[in-house]
Amino acid sequence: EPEVTQTPSHQVTQMGQEVILRCVPISNHLYFYWYRQILGQKVEFLVSFYNNEISEKSEIFDDQFSVERPDGSNFTLKIRSTKLEDSAMYFCASRENEQFFGPGTRLTVL
Amino acid sequence: QKEVEQNSGPLSVPEGAIASLNCTYSDRGSQSFFWYRQYSGKSPELIMSIYSNGDKEDGRFTAQLNKASQYVSLLIRDSQPSDSATYLCAVNLDTGRRALTFGSGTRLQVQP
Repeated sequence: EPEVTQTPSHQVTQMGQEVILRCVPISNHLYFYWYRQILGQKVEFLVSFYNNEISEKSEIFDDQFSVERPDGSNFTLKIRSTKLEDSAMYFCASRENEQFFGPGTRLTVL
Repeated sequence: QKEVEQNSGPLSVPEGAIASLNCTYSDRGSQSFFWYRQYSGKSPELIMSIYSNGDKEDGRFTAQLNKASQYVSLLIRDSQPSDSATYLCAVNLDTGRRALTFGSGTRLQVQP
């Protein structure tokens, strides 16, 4: 069964460094999403992407975040200058009718 | 602020019993409703989607939607210890808005 994949599974970085989180959505899906979940908190929407552009973003998705679909399969989330509070699980999801989530990347900012 | 509300639990039921999980949402314009299961340290896994009033059954799971009361529920029949997880209610809060708004989840414990 097709599934969303994400790499890496765990990323440790120093505060102020840039990180890129990678996702491969399900191949026939057209809508892609990033969510995050801080430990013990709700899953929060960051951004949605359709037809090679951002279709929606939350107030969390500020100028330090960007998304890109660099080729026909990958979908990336870049955090330009990480902060301690960016430590969270980051989930990619893709959608045809329903959203299916990848396994997540645990980001730890030291 | 538009919200999705769930009791955090834990909800404890004996093996074989029916577990009933509830969710309310604030936006009357909401059209799509989803239940996800999340094991500790793992990603949300889609269990059910429901779009119209009434019941929708899939195996041991039944989703119930009442748009007038802004209420959606999930029933798990013949609960198993492997059902022990956090159950997340997720809603597309505005018509045309595709992002999901999640509740904080209800932790279910099924006692063997």
